[in-house]
Amino acid sequence: EVQLVQSGGGLVQPGGSLRLSCAASEFTFSASWMSWVRQAPGKGLEWVANIKQDGSEKYYVDSVKGRFTISRDNARNSLYLQMNSLRAEDTAVYYCARLSSAFDYWGQGTLVAVSS
Amino acid sequence: SYVLTQPPSVSVAPGQTARITCGAYNIGSKSVHWYQQKPGQAPVLVLYDDSDRPSGIPERFSGSNSGNTATLTISRVEAGDEADYYCQVWDSISDDVVFGGGTKLTVL
Repeated sequence: EVQLVQSGGGLVQPGGSLRLSCAASEFTFSASWMSWVRQAPGKGLEWVANIKQDGSEKYYVDSVKGRFTISRDNARNSLYLQMNSLRAEDTAVYYCARLSSAFDYWGQGTLVAVSS
Repeated sequence: SYVLTQPPSVSVAPGQTARITCGAYNIGSKSVHWYQQKPGQAPVLVLYDDSDRPSGIPERFSGSNSGNTATLTISRVEAGDEADYYCQVWDSISDDVVFGGGTKLTVL
């Protein structure tokens, strides 16, 4: 069974940093595009970033460009999201997801709360 | 940027048919994907590429996409179908992934 197990997240002050991790199993991670999607409290889904299989291409939503970095370690079957200069509006549940033609598998989600 | 418009809510009685729309300019030229999300849970893919069902999704879930509207149809609605539903496309012009605002399906 495909699994995406997330870790990281928590409470951070505005301007702070946080790193999210996503451990993949039971599929060929190195052959898959991967993504991060977030959901602010009571709001809809918002795509955050995509990364190509070998990490050579990365795409971001405009609101996080220059602040967030998506990366991966294919040897460890792991996906990461480094979040810097965090703002209150970044408060959300963050999901990692495998991207085939659609987001076919999702992690369990992890809450990032940005507040002083 | 490309905007997907969904009705905020749809209500249907058990056993009836629910239709949830996703509107955008020329959406018929794109592949539309649909997700179901129940409270406190991660989204689940229910349809991809307009009308294909992943393994384990009941045949009651079907989809269509033409012109400026894509539609998710749920036949013989059950209480367990009550959830938020989101449409999603890839905007090839901006290389962005776009989600609709979501539709809350209420089973009366």
